[in-house]
Amino acid sequence: KNEVEQSPQNLTAQEGEFITINCSYSVGISALHWLQQHPGGGIVSLFMLSSGKKKHGRLIATINIQEKHSSLHITASHPRDSAVYICAVSGRGGGADGLTFGKGTHLIIQP
Amino acid sequence: NAGVTQTPKFRILKIGQSMTLQCTQDMNHNYMYWYRQDPGMGLKLIYYSVGAGITDKGEVPNGYNVSRSTTEDFPLRLELAAPSQTSVYFCASRTTHNTEAFFGQGTRLTVV
Repeated sequence: KNEVEQSPQNLTAQEGEFITINCSYSVGISALHWLQQHPGGGIVSLFMLSSGKKKHGRLIATINIQEKHSSLHITASHPRDSAVYICAVSGRGGGADGLTFGKGTHLIIQP
Repeated sequence: NAGVTQTPKFRILKIGQSMTLQCTQDMNHNYMYWYRQDPGMGLKLIYYSVGAGITDKGEVPNGYNVSRSTTEDFPLRLELAAPSQTSVYFCASRTTHNTEAFFGQGTRLTVV
């Protein structure tokens, strides 16, 4: 069973700061997902990646398959980025049997 | 497209009552999932389905049942509600493996 660990668990930063959230996993995967959850809200997919790097607006996700590690970066952070960010992985079989989730990183961006 | 729609959004049940959480998707996705999210924990898989007529247990299936009679719908049934089933429930769907997952807005269930 894959173990997915995220760090930090909680992060408070000032508007404009560069944010990094880390995710590590214990067993080889076919893909890694970064998800966003606003308070009381649903869960939205930000990225799915299996190698290298992806960028969408101010968000960048990277993955190192050999080290079993991924990072989510937010540039020029804004209070609307305040949310829980969740890392999840699909097993080597492709994840037909679902994703394995980390506990999430609670991010607060202060004005 | 509405995406993944869950109903109800909130519900309070008494111990021993039963209810069905509804989930429907309009993206013609084959794979559908039910997860529960408890405070301080990662989402845990309850049941999943890879197509109409096919369902399988996830990590925490006890106390729940599902059916998948159509591609669009994947209801989750609680037969005898217990306080341990107090949680937020999320339905999700994907086209197939290794594709983006789409989640519903969640159902907050309290059993008292």
